[in-house]
Amino acid sequence: NAGVTQTPKFQVLKTGQSMTLQCAQDMNHNSMYWYRQDPGMGLRLIYYSASEGTTDKGEVPNGYNVSRLNKREFSLRLESAAPSQTSVYFCASRRNPGGNSPLHFGNGTRLTVT
Amino acid sequence: KNEVEQSPQNLTAQEGEFITINCSYSVGISALHWLQQHPGGGIVSLFMLSSGKKKHGRLIATINIQEKHSSLHITASHPRDSAVYICAVRNAGGTSYGKLTFGQGTILTVHP
Repeated sequence: NAGVTQTPKFQVLKTGQSMTLQCAQDMNHNSMYWYRQDPGMGLRLIYYSASEGTTDKGEVPNGYNVSRLNKREFSLRLESAAPSQTSVYFCASRRNPGGNSPLHFGNGTRLTVT
Repeated sequence: KNEVEQSPQNLTAQEGEFITINCSYSVGISALHWLQQHPGGGIVSLFMLSSGKKKHGRLIATINIQEKHSSLHITASHPRDSAVYICAVRNAGGTSYGKLTFGQGTILTVHP
């Protein structure tokens, strides 16, 4: 099993450009999450999808949109990238949203916006 | 004050030493997670606990709910244990997605 797969691993954008980060999991998990990780700060939740067909905002949703394409895939889109969105992005999944099941993370996408 | 505080922020040890990383939190929780992030960036879940103690190989995690404190211990540390260790708590209460609040992480370096 691949677990959680994120693409791309690295990306450099100019201010105003758009891009989509892809995430797929093969563990039949219901819930999927997008986090960003910035120096000196803990992981912060951008958006989540508790189950297929639903998406909701997390702590820092501004400037992002998401799509839960199917049970496996959850993408994160930056419509007009800004330097403040320079960060490392992690996708994660877990079996169920409210239960105490462990999170499984992708390997991260390092995004630089110039 | 952050809801989740880890100490120390940086820890350097010699191979073989016993290591303790601490996590204190200020909110009511239903579970606490310990995660490991390797220099390559990937994050792996080590433990999830809501009471008592769990052990996996050389790693031991304990939690004291009354004191709102958890510790991660590594016995007989090895250079391959060098990583960032992250504590995260799942807030008690009715959020539908099981909101996790993350600590800033402890950077552990083990020298041979």
